[in-house]
Amino acid sequence: AQSVTQLDSQVPVFEEAPVELRCNYSSSVSVYLFWYVQYPNQGLQLLLKYLSGSTLVKGINGFEAEFNKSQTSFHLRKPSVHISDTAEYFCAVSDIGEYGNKLVFGAGTILRVKS
Amino acid sequence: ETGVTQTPRHLVMGMTNKKSLKCEQHLGHNAMYWYKQSAKKPLELMFVYSLEERVENNSVPSRFSPECPNSSHLFLHLHTLQPEDSALYLCASSPGVGEMNTEAFFGQGTRLTVV
Repeated sequence: AQSVTQLDSQVPVFEEAPVELRCNYSSSVSVYLFWYVQYPNQGLQLLLKYLSGSTLVKGINGFEAEFNKSQTSFHLRKPSVHISDTAEYFCAVSDIGEYGNKLVFGAGTILRVKS
Repeated sequence: ETGVTQTPRHLVMGMTNKKSLKCEQHLGHNAMYWYKQSAKKPLELMFVYSLEERVENNSVPSRFSPECPNSSHLFLHLHTLQPEDSALYLCASSPGVGEMNTEAFFGQGTRLTVV
C-alpha cells in the first residue's frame, strides 16, 4: 500500500518570502500525486496534481510542485507567500486497494504566514 | 453551488442521541467517501461506496452506519457516539474507484461535537 510522509507539521514564514512544504511518498511503479489545501473550517481544495509528463506541475494560487522519482518526493513551493496562504496543506497519493482506488493522505503541514 | 454539499455544517449531540449527516454531489460521480478528520491526526478513510455499493469499510465502529441510496447521496447515521468521535467529517466524491488518475472532490465538512 502507498503511504505519504509530510516532514514538517508546521512551517512559519514571513509574508513575501518563499516557502517549500515537503512530501515524500512510498515508491511504486506508477504514482499519482496531489496537493490539497484546507482553510479553517472548510473542506479540502485541490491545489495541483501530478499524473504524468512534466515533473514540474503548476497549480492554483501561484503554487507549484516538482515530482522527483529518484528521491520519491513531491515538494510544494511558492516563491512569495501571502497572508491568505495561511492554511493546512495535505499531500496525497492515489493507492489501489482490493476494491479500487482511494486517496491516502499525509498528516498535513500547517503554513503560518506572518506579516 | 459547490460540487459536493454537506449538511449540517455543525452538529452538537449527546451520547444517547441519533443523528445523520448528509452529503450530496452534483458532479455525476460514481464513487463517494466518508473521511474523519480529528485534531493532530491524518485524515482517516471510513467508508467507500462505488455505484451505491459499499466497497470498503476501514474497521469503523458500528455506531457509524453509512447509507448510499443513490450515486448522488450519501448519509452517515450516528448513534450512541463517544466524545472521542468529535471531529470534522468530510464527504468526497470521485468519478469512480477505478480512476486512479483523478482527484477526489470534497465537501466543506460537518463539525461534530459529542457531549
